[in-house]
Amino acid sequence: NAGVTQTPKFQVLKTGQSMTLQCAQDMNHNSMYWYRQDPGMGLRLIYYSASEGTTDKGEVPNGYNVSRLNKREFSLRLESAAPSQTSVYFCASSDRSKSSGANVLTFGAGSRLTVL
Amino acid sequence: DAKTTQPTSMDCAEGRAANLPCNHSTISGNEYVYWYRQIHSQGPQYIIHGLKNNETNEMASLIITEDRKSSTLILPHATLRDTAVYYCIVRVEGGAQKLVFGQGTRLTINP
Repeated sequence: NAGVTQTPKFQVLKTGQSMTLQCAQDMNHNSMYWYRQDPGMGLRLIYYSASEGTTDKGEVPNGYNVSRLNKREFSLRLESAAPSQTSVYFCASSDRSKSSGANVLTFGAGSRLTVL
Repeated sequence: DAKTTQPTSMDCAEGRAANLPCNHSTISGNEYVYWYRQIHSQGPQYIIHGLKNNETNEMASLIITEDRKSSTLILPHATLRDTAVYYCIVRVEGGAQKLVFGQGTRLTINP
């Protein structure tokens, strides 16, 4: 059981370059999310997908695009990276837990992105 | 979603109970209280949640006041591995969990 898998774990980009962060979950969850976390800060929601085929903006969507490729995969794309996008990016998925009944998020290990 | 207020940091001795407070005075009747924690730079981890009754699981206990305006997360026998940032979040159940993570409480367990 891998849970939520993110790739790559680390990436260095130059300003203006593009890249895609990949996320996959094997828990058959309906909802998926992308958060970013800047040093010393809490997590901020970039985009989310409540179910396959839908995506919506979160708190800080500017400069990003997402694709819910299928139920398992949710990718985050930076079209033209900027130094302000240097951050740790976390993907998460959620569904109602059969054991606790709680609708909880399961997070990936994070992707550390540096834009020079 | 209702806003929450938590102390910025707390210390606790290893083996003691760690009590982490959270104020959510504007909570609505259908909003749940969730607790997550983030150890070092890992992804946050769900701990516990509740609506109005006290809750306990293998990780922690959650005490919610009768007026639901505040709650306390209790780690009964804190260990060094409990050192983390703890987030208290208030959210309506169901649908996409667009959780808003504030600054949280940085809990340090001292040997």
